Amino acid sequence: GENVEQHPSTLSVQEGDSAVIKCTYSDSASNYFPWYKQELGKRPQLIIDIRSNVGEKKDQRIAVTLNKTAKHFSLHITETQPEDSAVYFCAASYPGLGGGSQGNLIFGKGTKLSVKP
Amino acid sequence: NAGVTQTPKFRVLKTGQSMTLLCAQDMNHEYMYWYRQDPGMGLRLIHYSVGEGTTAKGEVPDGYNVSRLKKQNFLLGLESAAPSQTSVYFCASNWASGGALTYEQYFGPGTRLTVT
Repeated sequence: GENVEQHPSTLSVQEGDSAVIKCTYSDSASNYFPWYKQELGKRPQLIIDIRSNVGEKKDQRIAVTLNKTAKHFSLHITETQPEDSAVYFCAASYPGLGGGSQGNLIFGKGTKLSVKP
Repeated sequence: NAGVTQTPKFRVLKTGQSMTLLCAQDMNHEYMYWYRQDPGMGLRLIHYSVGEGTTAKGEVPDGYNVSRLKKQNFLLGLESAAPSQTSVYFCASNWASGGALTYEQYFGPGTRLTVT
């Protein structure tokens, strides 16, 4: 069935290092891949997203790459800072689930990122 | 512009009680969603709506009902609460017709529900 696998579940890095979180999806029809950041006790907030017709997208220290053939996409955070500490969720759209042309989202289980000063 | 708001923020129910969670958005969004978030499980879609008067089931709809009588409001009901429904519930919305094409879902602040 529809699924999004996210790894690792926890990630600890030193301030200034890079962090990489990887996700795989199962439906080749998926066409939208957002990444959300959730701080403790807060709502998820979109940090970056990518459509299936693009292979890479960058926004300052954050980048996302998409490999449609392998059905996986990754979040890259460079020069990490303590305020990057949070839980990060990837998601993939599944048009077959309904919810309009882009389809509803299936979320990964999350990665808890800790950035040590 | 308040975005997406949810009422209440916290609630404790006894098994078998009923309640309604209210989600409101002021962004003229067509689509609205209800998710539940459990530790280690990510966000799972309960029900969604693609427009006023329409609703549909998501991944985990059992034990919940929804209504979308007004475009700006999406209600989630628990008719007979069970301990397994202890969770944090998030509402989200997107897709403003006539506006810029964006798939971003905007989330509300969440409702923490405990069923004892």
